[in-house]
Amino acid sequence: DIQMTQSPSSLSASVGDRVTITCRANQSISNFLNWYQQKPGKAPKLLIYAAFSLQSGVPSRFSGSGSGTDFTLTISSLQLEDFASYYCQQSFSTPYTFGQGTKLEIK
Amino acid sequence: QVQLVQSGAEVKKPGASVKVSCKAFGYTFTSYYVHWVRQAPGQGLEWMGMVNPSGGSTTYAQKFQGRVTMTSDTSANTVYMEVNSLRSEDTAVHYCARIGAVSSWAFDSWGQGTLITVSS
Repeated sequence: DIQMTQSPSSLSASVGDRVTITCRANQSISNFLNWYQQKPGKAPKLLIYAAFSLQSGVPSRFSGSGSGTDFTLTISSLQLEDFASYYCQQSFSTPYTFGQGTKLEIK
Repeated sequence: QVQLVQSGAEVKKPGASVKVSCKAFGYTFTSYYVHWVRQAPGQGLEWMGMVNPSGGSTTYAQKFQGRVTMTSDTSANTVYMEVNSLRSEDTAVHYCARIGAVSSWAFDSWGQGTLITVSS
């Protein structure tokens, strides 16, 4: 199975900050890497697919980069509504594993 | 619009079985795989398996092999997940989500989640 390691597991930041979350796979997954946002009591929401493509309707302050084993999600200027949990997920091969998540909290 | 609508919450005793449904609206049902992902209280997301509504083929995570069955009914645009021999560790919100080549192999639509509580 492909293991996905996300860091940090939690992060405190302020509105307007630039934030980066990293995700590492233990083998190459090409660009089969997706990012999701989850708010309490809600289903995850797709933000970025195929490593860097912005899902329709997602604000442009979200961006993704990377390929192979190392990936990043960047939020260029945090807004109040961005405080949530974030997960990476690989769709290179089954089982489609997720990172352990990053909880983004208000400083 | 695209929607996945799941059945309601369930409370089961250890050793029992449960069957959860996920009904698709707003797209061609057989054009996307449907996967199941669960989330235990306060924990992360765990992939359980998938079903291809076109043909019914399945793939399960190894830890669920033999205990989980995923099926589809194309006449009802609905997929089902049955979990047998429930234990307390199965208490979680279970989500269905669609994925396919059209969505570049990302889960672009999710059900609202079904809480399964296993308690004596």
